[in-house]
Amino acid sequence: RKEVEQDPGPFNVPEGATVAFNCTYSNSASQSFFWYRQDCRKEPKLLMSVYSSGNEDGRFTAQLNRASQYISLLIRDSKLSDSATYLCVVRPPGGGNKLTFGTGTQLKVEL
Amino acid sequence: ETGVTQTPRHLVMGMTNKKSLKCEQHLGHNAMYWYKQSAKKPLELMFVYSLEERVENNSVPSRFSPECPNSSHLFLHLHTLQPEDSALYLCASSQRASGNYNEQFFGPGTRLTVL
Repeated sequence: RKEVEQDPGPFNVPEGATVAFNCTYSNSASQSFFWYRQDCRKEPKLLMSVYSSGNEDGRFTAQLNRASQYISLLIRDSKLSDSATYLCVVRPPGGGNKLTFGTGTQLKVEL
Repeated sequence: ETGVTQTPRHLVMGMTNKKSLKCEQHLGHNAMYWYKQSAKKPLELMFVYSLEERVENNSVPSRFSPECPNSSHLFLHLHTLQPEDSALYLCASSQRASGNYNEQFFGPGTRLTVL
């Protein structure tokens, strides 16, 4: 089983739609979780951290389900500019410097 | 200049060449990282430096040789590479090298092609 698993997509959605991505992780003792965004041929950038209580930032909501070992990202009212690859990132036990990245889920928002 | 910068942005080299990738961070961070991103694969951590000391080497072949002369600069020296080493090489930095919610900031990457 992969350490971090994501559906590669692409998810093609119309502008204004709500879209959700899930990501599963294999190590139940993983410490912290993130969603990064990577635009085509650009570097990854932190979108949001995922806390145990979940967190929301504008149109973006992230949730953590430790029992089922997955994290989710919900995007409401999708914009064309949301088109990107969304990387699920997990920090393994120990809180060290190694981050484990998923392969990413590609989102395409269309007119 | 702000953030994390990398040079060159693109590099084409033969298998017998020697070249170096450069990374510079202007964020006052203490930790720096090299990652490799190949097509359809997740980012792979190569090396981690904390306060100029290498703290992680993720079983990277010796044809990749990192150097960290100070906390703002990181180099990746390349020699006798293979075509399968063609990838996007990303540098990142963070305030420290540990901690649960320790954000890593990435540079734009060097797209390397080995002929």
